[in-house]
Amino acid sequence: NAGVTQTPKFRVLKTGQSMTLLCAQDMNHEYMYWYRQDPGMGLRLIHYSVGEGTTAKGEVPDGYNVSRLKKQNFLLGLESAAPSQTSVYFCASSGRQGPFTGELFFGEGSRLTVL
Amino acid sequence: AQTVTQSQPEMSVQEAETVTLSCTYDTSESNYYLFWYKQPPSRQMILVIRQEAYKQQNATENRFSVNFQKAAKSFSLKISDSQLGDTAMYFCAFMKHPNFGNEKLTFGTGTRLTIIP
Repeated sequence: NAGVTQTPKFRVLKTGQSMTLLCAQDMNHEYMYWYRQDPGMGLRLIHYSVGEGTTAKGEVPDGYNVSRLKKQNFLLGLESAAPSQTSVYFCASSGRQGPFTGELFFGEGSRLTVL
Repeated sequence: AQTVTQSQPEMSVQEAETVTLSCTYDTSESNYYLFWYKQPPSRQMILVIRQEAYKQQNATENRFSVNFQKAAKSFSLKISDSQLGDTAMYFCAFMKHPNFGNEKLTFGTGTRLTIIP
């Protein structure tokens, strides 16, 4: 059972470099989310998507862009990485079929270090 | 905007004992959902328990139960007969009643729970 898969799991970048994190889910979920987790701050929502071709800003969107060209994939891009973007990034998805549960299904996280 | 507060950054308890993790939240909504998620050292977030605000009965899942006090905006998690596998970071989270585009979780800062053998 793959569920939500994030790639890569680890990455080290230099300031100013760009990169893309890929999230893939095989549960046919409509909603997908990108969160970042920092010590003492819990998880904060960066961007989310309510369906293919849609994206919306979350709590901390600055410095990130996202795209949802296919229903199963949600990409998070950093155009010019900054040390403040050093974090663990989590992708999650949730579905709207059947009775509402509100449960989000998370990937294993991607640890990004910006030097 | 909703806020979720977890005032206990760290807790520890002996194996087999009972422990309660606190969570308070602030919202002007009348209908919403509350969650406790567990993040073990493996990092993957797992749903522990869910409470719907319009239900007065407290949710229970095996050894896990909640004390939901809507008027006080309090949502604590009780773990009974704690086990070593309960060692994890626990996050309290809030979600508005779902409308299109509204299904986002707001998390607290977490409580790191250690079960001592």
